[in-house]
Amino acid sequence: DAKTTQPPSMDCAEGRAANLPCNHSTISGNEYVYWYRQIHSQGPQYIIHGLKNNETNEMASLIITEDRKSSTLILPHATLRDTAVYYCIVRALYNTDKLIFGTGTRLQVFP
Amino acid sequence: EAGVVQSPRYKIIEKKQPVAFWCNPISGHNTLYWYRQNLGQGPELLIRYENEEAVDDSQLPKDRFSAERLKGVDSTLKIQPAELGDSAVYLCASSPDFQREITQYFGPGTRLTVL
Repeated sequence: DAKTTQPPSMDCAEGRAANLPCNHSTISGNEYVYWYRQIHSQGPQYIIHGLKNNETNEMASLIITEDRKSSTLILPHATLRDTAVYYCIVRALYNTDKLIFGTGTRLQVFP
Repeated sequence: EAGVVQSPRYKIIEKKQPVAFWCNPISGHNTLYWYRQNLGQGPELLIRYENEEAVDDSQLPKDRFSAERLKGVDSTLKIQPAELGDSAVYLCASSPDFQREITQYFGPGTRLTVL
Protein backbone atom coordinates (compact mmCIF):
# COMPACT_ATOMS: atom_id res chain seq x y z
CA ASP A 1 0.00 0.00 0.00
CA ALA A 2 1.11 3.52 -0.75
CA LYS A 3 2.22 5.75 2.08
CA THR A 4 0.44 8.94 3.06
CA THR A 5 1.57 12.19 4.61
CA GLN A 6 -0.64 14.25 6.90
CA PRO A 7 -0.02 17.26 9.14
CA PRO A 8 0.29 16.16 12.76
CA SER A 9 -2.32 18.56 14.10
CA MET A 10 -4.93 21.13 13.13
CA ASP A 11 -7.38 23.39 14.90
CA CYS A 12 -10.85 24.39 13.78
CA ALA A 13 -13.52 26.62 15.25
CA GLU A 14 -16.86 25.01 15.98
CA GLY A 15 -19.31 25.54 13.13
CA ARG A 16 -16.59 26.18 10.59
CA ALA A 17 -15.43 23.80 7.89
CA ALA A 18 -12.48 21.58 8.74
CA ASN A 19 -10.27 20.78 5.77
CA LEU A 20 -7.83 17.96 6.40
CA PRO A 21 -5.18 17.42 3.72
CA CYS A 22 -3.42 14.22 2.76
CA ASN A 23 -0.60 13.58 0.31
CA HIS A 24 -0.37 10.19 -1.41
CA SER A 25 1.95 10.83 -4.33
CA THR A 26 2.76 7.13 -4.90
CA ILE A 27 -0.83 5.94 -5.09
CA SER A 28 -1.49 3.20 -7.64
CA GLY A 29 -4.27 3.23 -10.19
CA ASN A 30 -6.33 0.61 -8.36
CA GLU A 31 -5.96 2.13 -4.91
CA TYR A 32 -8.68 4.05 -3.18
CA VAL A 33 -8.31 6.78 -0.61
CA TYR A 34 -9.94 5.92 2.71
CA TRP A 35 -10.46 8.12 5.73
CA TYR A 36 -10.95 6.87 9.26
CA ARG A 37 -11.10 8.78 12.50
CA GLN A 38 -10.47 7.78 16.07
CA ILE A 39 -12.14 9.58 18.90
CA HIS A 40 -10.41 9.33 22.25
CA SER A 41 -10.80 5.89 23.90
CA GLN A 42 -12.66 4.48 20.91
CA GLY A 43 -11.69 2.32 17.96
CA PRO A 44 -11.19 3.85 14.51
CA GLN A 45 -14.36 4.67 12.62
CA TYR A 46 -14.76 4.60 8.86
CA ILE A 47 -15.70 7.96 7.35
CA ILE A 48 -15.53 7.84 3.58
CA HIS A 49 -13.57 6.54 0.63
CA GLY A 50 -13.11 7.40 -3.04
CA LEU A 51 -11.16 6.59 -6.19
CA LYS A 52 -10.99 9.72 -8.32
CA ASN A 53 -14.32 11.49 -8.16
CA ASN A 54 -15.39 13.66 -5.29
CA GLU A 55 -17.50 11.83 -2.76
CA THR A 56 -19.96 13.01 -0.14
CA ASN A 57 -21.86 11.23 2.59
CA GLU A 58 -23.61 12.21 5.77
CA MET A 59 -20.34 12.60 7.62
CA ALA A 60 -17.99 14.34 5.22
CA SER A 61 -16.86 15.18 1.71
CA LEU A 62 -13.75 13.87 0.02
CA ILE A 63 -12.02 15.89 -2.66
CA ILE A 64 -9.37 14.07 -4.69
CA THR A 65 -7.12 15.99 -7.05
CA GLU A 66 -7.17 15.12 -10.72
CA ASP A 67 -3.71 13.54 -10.57
CA ARG A 68 -4.82 11.62 -7.42
CA LYS A 69 -1.66 12.56 -5.59
CA SER A 70 -3.49 14.34 -2.82
CA SER A 71 -6.90 14.65 -1.23
CA THR A 72 -8.81 16.70 1.31
CA LEU A 73 -11.37 15.54 3.80
CA ILE A 74 -13.95 18.21 4.53
CA LEU A 75 -16.12 18.31 7.61
CA PRO A 76 -18.51 21.09 6.55
CA HIS A 77 -19.66 22.22 9.99
CA ALA A 78 -17.28 20.94 12.63
CA THR A 79 -18.60 20.23 16.11
CA LEU A 80 -16.80 19.52 19.35
CA ARG A 81 -17.58 15.83 18.82
CA ASP A 82 -15.44 15.87 15.68
CA THR A 83 -12.33 16.28 17.81
CA ALA A 84 -10.34 13.16 16.94
CA VAL A 85 -7.32 11.77 15.11
CA TYR A 86 -8.03 11.48 11.39
CA TYR A 87 -6.21 8.85 9.34
CA CYS A 88 -5.81 8.91 5.56
CA ILE A 89 -5.14 5.45 4.11
CA VAL A 90 -4.73 4.21 0.56
CA ARG A 91 -5.52 0.63 -0.37
CA ALA A 92 -7.04 -1.39 -3.15
CA LEU A 93 -10.76 -2.04 -3.03
CA TYR A 94 -11.86 -5.63 -2.36
CA ASN A 95 -8.67 -6.03 -0.39
CA THR A 96 -9.19 -7.70 2.94
CA ASP A 97 -5.60 -7.06 3.85
CA LYS A 98 -4.59 -4.90 6.75
CA LEU A 99 -5.13 -1.19 6.97
CA ILE A 100 -1.82 0.63 7.23
CA PHE A 101 -2.30 3.56 9.54
CA GLY A 102 0.13 6.43 9.80
CA THR A 103 0.15 8.79 12.73
CA GLY A 104 -2.79 10.81 11.37
CA THR A 105 -3.89 14.39 11.99
CA ARG A 106 -5.11 15.34 15.41
CA LEU A 107 -8.03 17.72 14.84
CA GLN A 108 -9.00 19.91 17.76
CA VAL A 109 -12.35 21.67 17.41
CA PHE A 110 -12.67 24.57 19.81
CA PRO A 111 -15.77 26.53 20.90
CA GLU B 1 -27.01 -3.70 14.34
CA ALA B 2 -24.62 -4.44 17.19
CA GLY B 3 -21.02 -3.43 16.66
CA VAL B 4 -17.83 -5.29 17.43
CA VAL B 5 -17.77 -6.26 21.07
CA GLN B 6 -14.57 -6.53 23.07
CA SER B 7 -13.86 -7.42 26.65
CA PRO B 8 -12.47 -6.49 29.00
CA ARG B 9 -12.17 -2.76 28.28
CA TYR B 10 -9.27 -2.35 30.66
CA LYS B 11 -6.77 -4.76 32.14
CA ILE B 12 -3.89 -4.18 34.51
CA ILE B 13 -1.47 -7.02 35.18
CA GLU B 14 2.05 -7.53 36.42
CA LYS B 15 4.74 -8.58 34.01
CA LYS B 16 5.12 -12.31 33.40
CA GLN B 17 1.40 -12.84 34.03
CA PRO B 18 -0.88 -14.19 31.29
CA VAL B 19 -3.74 -12.17 29.83
CA ALA B 20 -6.51 -12.82 27.33
CA PHE B 21 -8.74 -10.57 25.27
CA TRP B 22 -12.04 -11.54 23.72
CA CYS B 23 -13.73 -10.25 20.57
CA ASN B 24 -17.15 -10.88 19.06
CA PRO B 25 -17.34 -9.47 15.52
CA ILE B 26 -20.39 -8.12 13.73
CA SER B 27 -22.71 -10.95 12.75
CA GLY B 28 -21.96 -12.29 9.31
CA HIS B 29 -18.52 -10.75 9.02
CA ASN B 30 -16.12 -13.46 7.91
CA THR B 31 -12.91 -11.49 8.29
CA LEU B 32 -11.58 -10.64 11.73
CA TYR B 33 -8.51 -8.60 12.63
CA TRP B 34 -6.52 -7.98 15.75
CA TYR B 35 -4.53 -4.74 15.86
CA ARG B 36 -2.23 -3.32 18.50
CA GLN B 37 -2.03 0.43 19.05
CA ASN B 38 0.85 1.93 20.96
CA LEU B 39 0.49 5.35 22.52
CA GLY B 40 0.56 8.10 19.90
CA GLN B 41 0.69 5.68 17.00
CA GLY B 42 -1.80 4.26 14.54
CA PRO B 43 -3.00 0.67 14.93
CA GLU B 44 -0.80 -2.12 13.53
CA LEU B 45 -2.09 -5.50 12.45
CA LEU B 46 -1.22 -8.52 14.54
CA ILE B 47 -3.31 -11.20 12.84
CA ARG B 48 -6.10 -11.54 10.31
CA TYR B 49 -8.62 -14.39 10.07
CA GLU B 50 -10.75 -15.47 7.17
CA ASN B 51 -13.39 -17.57 8.93
CA GLU B 52 -11.38 -19.98 11.12
CA GLU B 53 -8.15 -19.64 9.18
CA ALA B 54 -5.36 -17.28 10.19
CA VAL B 55 -4.27 -15.93 6.80
CA ASP B 56 -1.82 -13.27 7.98
CA ASP B 57 -0.02 -13.63 11.29
CA SER B 58 3.36 -12.36 10.15
CA GLN B 59 3.34 -9.54 12.72
CA LEU B 60 2.24 -11.69 15.65
CA PRO B 61 5.08 -12.31 18.16
CA LYS B 62 4.60 -16.04 18.26
CA ASP B 63 6.85 -16.69 21.22
CA ARG B 64 4.34 -15.13 23.58
CA PHE B 65 1.21 -14.27 21.61
CA SER B 66 -1.43 -16.69 20.41
CA ALA B 67 -4.86 -16.30 18.93
CA GLU B 68 -7.75 -18.49 17.99
CA ARG B 69 -11.06 -18.15 16.25
CA LEU B 70 -12.96 -21.33 16.83
CA LYS B 71 -16.06 -21.84 14.69
CA GLY B 72 -15.20 -18.73 12.73
CA VAL B 73 -17.09 -16.33 14.96
CA ASP B 74 -15.58 -14.89 18.14
CA SER B 75 -11.88 -14.77 18.80
CA THR B 76 -9.44 -14.73 21.68
CA LEU B 77 -5.99 -13.15 21.75
CA LYS B 78 -3.63 -14.30 24.49
CA ILE B 79 -0.31 -13.08 25.79
CA GLN B 80 1.79 -15.35 27.98
CA PRO B 81 3.89 -14.12 29.62
CA ALA B 82 3.22 -10.39 29.33
CA GLU B 83 6.12 -7.95 29.16
CA LEU B 84 6.25 -4.26 29.97
CA GLY B 85 6.37 -3.43 26.26
CA ASP B 86 3.04 -5.11 25.68
CA SER B 87 1.22 -2.18 27.26
CA ALA B 88 -1.03 -0.90 24.48
CA VAL B 89 -4.60 -0.88 23.23
CA TYR B 90 -5.63 -4.09 21.52
CA LEU B 91 -8.28 -3.51 18.88
CA CYS B 92 -10.47 -6.04 17.16
CA ALA B 93 -12.09 -5.30 13.82
CA SER B 94 -14.26 -7.18 11.37
CA SER B 95 -15.26 -6.75 7.76
CA PRO B 96 -17.87 -8.23 5.47
CA ASP B 97 -17.47 -10.61 2.59
CA PHE B 98 -14.60 -9.60 0.33
CA GLN B 99 -16.88 -9.50 -2.66
CA ARG B 100 -18.58 -6.41 -1.34
CA GLU B 101 -17.10 -3.00 -0.59
CA ILE B 102 -14.68 -3.30 2.22
CA THR B 103 -14.66 -1.26 5.38
CA GLN B 104 -13.34 -2.46 8.70
CA TYR B 105 -15.49 -1.98 11.75
CA PHE B 106 -13.55 -1.59 14.95
CA GLY B 107 -14.43 -2.40 18.50
CA PRO B 108 -13.61 -0.05 21.40
CA GLY B 109 -10.42 -1.90 22.26
CA THR B 110 -8.87 -3.32 25.40
CA ARG B 111 -6.35 -1.09 27.13
CA LEU B 112 -3.64 -3.27 28.65
CA THR B 113 -1.25 -1.95 31.27
CA VAL B 114 1.64 -4.18 32.29
CA LEU B 115 3.34 -3.18 35.54
